[in-house]
Amino acid sequence: AAGVIQSPRHLIKEKRETATLKCYPIPRHDTVYWYQQGPGQDPQFLISFYEKMQSDKGSIPDRFSAQQFSDYHSELNMSSLELGDSALYFCASSLLGGGSYGYTFGSGTRLTVV
Amino acid sequence: GENVEQHPSTLSVQEGDSAVIKCTYSDSASNYFPWYKQELGKGPQLIIDIRSNVGEKKDQRIAVTLNKTAKHFSLHITETQPEDSAVYFCAATAMDSNYQLIWGAGTKLIIKP
Repeated sequence: AAGVIQSPRHLIKEKRETATLKCYPIPRHDTVYWYQQGPGQDPQFLISFYEKMQSDKGSIPDRFSAQQFSDYHSELNMSSLELGDSALYFCASSLLGGGSYGYTFGSGTRLTVV
Repeated sequence: GENVEQHPSTLSVQEGDSAVIKCTYSDSASNYFPWYKQELGKGPQLIIDIRSNVGEKKDQRIAVTLNKTAKHFSLHITETQPEDSAVYFCAATAMDSNYQLIWGAGTKLIIKP
């Protein structure tokens, strides 16, 4: 069965550079969530989209932005990268908000800022 | 808002024994409680979930119990195996929070051979 696809799997950037992470949800899933997970931490919610509109916002820095496109894939854009942005970034998708149908996570993008 | 606490942070059990991980939540409106297993470098994988209209759910060696009155839910793994070693996260969510997952801090489960 198709899963949530994230790209790239690994990314190394220098401070002050920009990065774009991509998430391709499970086909027919209409909701996408982005999470940031630091070493030894639980995932922290960043932002979510339902039907291409932002549905909820968590602890996403102003330097980050995201959007969901017409094909439901989502991109997380990160600018002016800082060392503290090094983390695993997970995307999850669900159907109709997830409460009734659950969530499926991608394998994540490991971002290293040097 | 919702707050989820998870205990213990690390759990070491002998292979074949049972493991229990406990979580408490604060928001009585929460109605969906998933458990995720995360192996090193991988995304969290849903292993079992329970909804607020059910008190217990079992899937082979894994079971989850929910006590709505006390606002706590637990993950039970019986006959543990080496492949059960991972970090386990509980989470809670509710419709009135746009189904945003509120996570516990995680439990590192170590299965000793």
